Amino acid sequence: DAGVTQSPTHLIKTRGQQVTLRCSPKSGHDTVSWYQQALGQGPQFIFQYYEEEERQRGNFPDRFSGHQFPNYSSELNVNALLLGDSALYLCASSTGANTGELFFGEGSRLTVL
Amino acid sequence: RKEVEQDPGPFNVPEGATVAFNCTYSNSASQSFFWYRQDCRKEPKLLMSVYSSGNEDGRFTAQLNRASQYISLLIRDSKLSDSATYLCVVTAGSGNTGKLIFGQGTTLQVKP
Repeated sequence: DAGVTQSPTHLIKTRGQQVTLRCSPKSGHDTVSWYQQALGQGPQFIFQYYEEEERQRGNFPDRFSGHQFPNYSSELNVNALLLGDSALYLCASSTGANTGELFFGEGSRLTVL
Repeated sequence: RKEVEQDPGPFNVPEGATVAFNCTYSNSASQSFFWYRQDCRKEPKLLMSVYSSGNEDGRFTAQLNRASQYISLLIRDSKLSDSATYLCVVTAGSGNTGKLIFGQGTTLQVKP
């Protein structure tokens, strides 16, 4: 049973560029959440997708956008990258009825130069 | 003020010690509470849920005090493998149960 998979695992971008991160949820899960984790900090909620719609959103600017596909996989897009966007981006999946137990992927580590 | 506050540590303890972590949260509407564990450069994993009545899972005991908005985690008989960062997590509040708020994490180092 495959867990949550994310790609790419590492990437380097320059300021102003755009990035797309991808996530496949754990088998049987229909909800995907994205979190940003800066070094030494806890994960911060970006948004959550369910039934291909953004259900909830954290305090992130519109430069952060996402999408969920019919197979429940998801993408996170970040436009106009800033140095401060450098972080580990974690995807977490869950079933709609059990939102407390999140299964995280290993993350995509983004470095913005 | 942070929504979830934890002492970042690090807590350095010898094997076999008992160690306690505390956490406070600001939103009285939060309904669910958890401890997650994160190993160095790995993803967070659910350690245990926290219930008002308190709950125990082997060497781990979690307590919740809703009146004080305070959560605790007690680890007895610490093992080397317990070395990790422990994240206190609460739901954002009624109507926002899908949004989890993570604390900064408390780092535990268990020494031989």
